[in-house]
Amino acid sequence: ETGVTQTPRHLVMGMTNKKSLKCEQHLGHNAMYWYKQSAKKPLELMFVYNFKEQTENNSVPSRFSPECPNSSHLFLHLHTLQPEDSALYLCASSQGQGVVGYTFGSGTRLTVV
Amino acid sequence: AQSVTQLGSHVSVSEGALVLLRCNYSSSVPPYLFWYVQYPNQGLQLLLKYTSAATLVKGINGFEAEFKKSETSFHLTKPSAHMSDAAEYFCAVSDTGRGSARQLTFGSGTQLTVLP
Repeated sequence: ETGVTQTPRHLVMGMTNKKSLKCEQHLGHNAMYWYKQSAKKPLELMFVYNFKEQTENNSVPSRFSPECPNSSHLFLHLHTLQPEDSALYLCASSQGQGVVGYTFGSGTRLTVV
Repeated sequence: AQSVTQLGSHVSVSEGALVLLRCNYSSSVPPYLFWYVQYPNQGLQLLLKYTSAATLVKGINGFEAEFKKSETSFHLTKPSAHMSDAAEYFCAVSDTGRGSARQLTFGSGTQLTVLP
């Protein structure tokens, strides 16, 4: 247990479904991140939130919709995904002013069928 | 903008042999550098970090890395590999922050295989 909890761990969804990924941290961090990790590709930063405000959107398609209701919770809402969106989705948090690096969750393995 | 290059996407060593994973960085400001390890179907775990103090940084599981400014390198080493070290390793560089959320840029990873 790293202090960052992601649910569910595995998700299979059809292309017409709507689902949400959840991330929760109780480390007192102020920044939270979504990363996509696909096979044989580098980690892709998707979204950054700092004190609940979105500070980065790395040209992510609109079928991915983040939500950060408070500094401890981060969601990724999914709708009308494509098979190429199948990947491991990682959430991370950090203390934005410090240099301790990120704390990662264990990820959600998403399969789009 | 900063970037990280990890030389060698796959490295194989024998159990008990030296582990050397290479990382070179590019940064327009003094960097903060990190090594992370990822086991199958897990998130990334911090191994060690360089934050402009000692250039030789010791981390968990017997790993260490040396920051060499002249070579823009931050290679990861371990004197004697163990079977449990088999995993994927990521080098990352961070901007030094200006009050906003710090962002890490990751390398493409090196898969370490340990042979019996």
